[in-house]
Amino acid sequence: GDSVTQMEGPVTLSEEAFLTINCTYTATGYPSLFWYVQYPGEGLQLLLKATKADDKGSNKGFEATYRKETTSFHLEKGSVQVSDSAVYFCALSSGAGSYQLTFGKGTKLSVIP
Amino acid sequence: NAGVTQTPKFQVLKTGQSMTLQCAQDMNHEYMSWYRQDPGMGLRLIHYSVGAGITDQGEVPNGYNVSRSTTEDFPLRLLSAAPSQTSVYFCASSRTVNSNQPQHFGDGTRLSIL
Repeated sequence: GDSVTQMEGPVTLSEEAFLTINCTYTATGYPSLFWYVQYPGEGLQLLLKATKADDKGSNKGFEATYRKETTSFHLEKGSVQVSDSAVYFCALSSGAGSYQLTFGKGTKLSVIP
Repeated sequence: NAGVTQTPKFQVLKTGQSMTLQCAQDMNHEYMSWYRQDPGMGLRLIHYSVGAGITDQGEVPNGYNVSRSTTEDFPLRLLSAAPSQTSVYFCASSRTVNSNQPQHFGDGTRLSIL
């Protein structure tokens, strides 16, 4: 079945540091890939998405490229801010049957001033 | 812009009690779903609906019931609460049943079963 593996946290960075959160996936067919962000006490919000190979999703300075050859969708940001502190989830939707999102376990990011 | 609204935000139940978690969306979305979030496990799909009158089971459906009588509402019922159902529950919706459609999440219901 479908699965998503993302790097374990927590991750602690200083403000303005470079961020990478690794995500790899296993899926049938051609899934759509997503990054969601969850701020404390809130629900998940879509951060960015990519729906086909070599697509790059971007939003709020975050980027991720859909790499079919390495089955990866790593999240990057060049300069993190304290306000980026949150839990980040990589997810895929293969559209097979339930249209469900299959999530990774989440990576908690803390950015310190 | 209400989006997806979940009530209540917090609830404590005793083992064996029943309750309904409410979910409503005002975006005329076709697809709705319920997930539970447990520490270290990401989110897992409980039940989903592709339209009014149509529901189906997800990955972890046991102990839960759903119905979809209107496009807007998708309540989740716990039939006889068990401590293993202590979790944070999220309702989500998307415009269509297309895999490239992002899902919009509510703020969650934190449920404790004693």
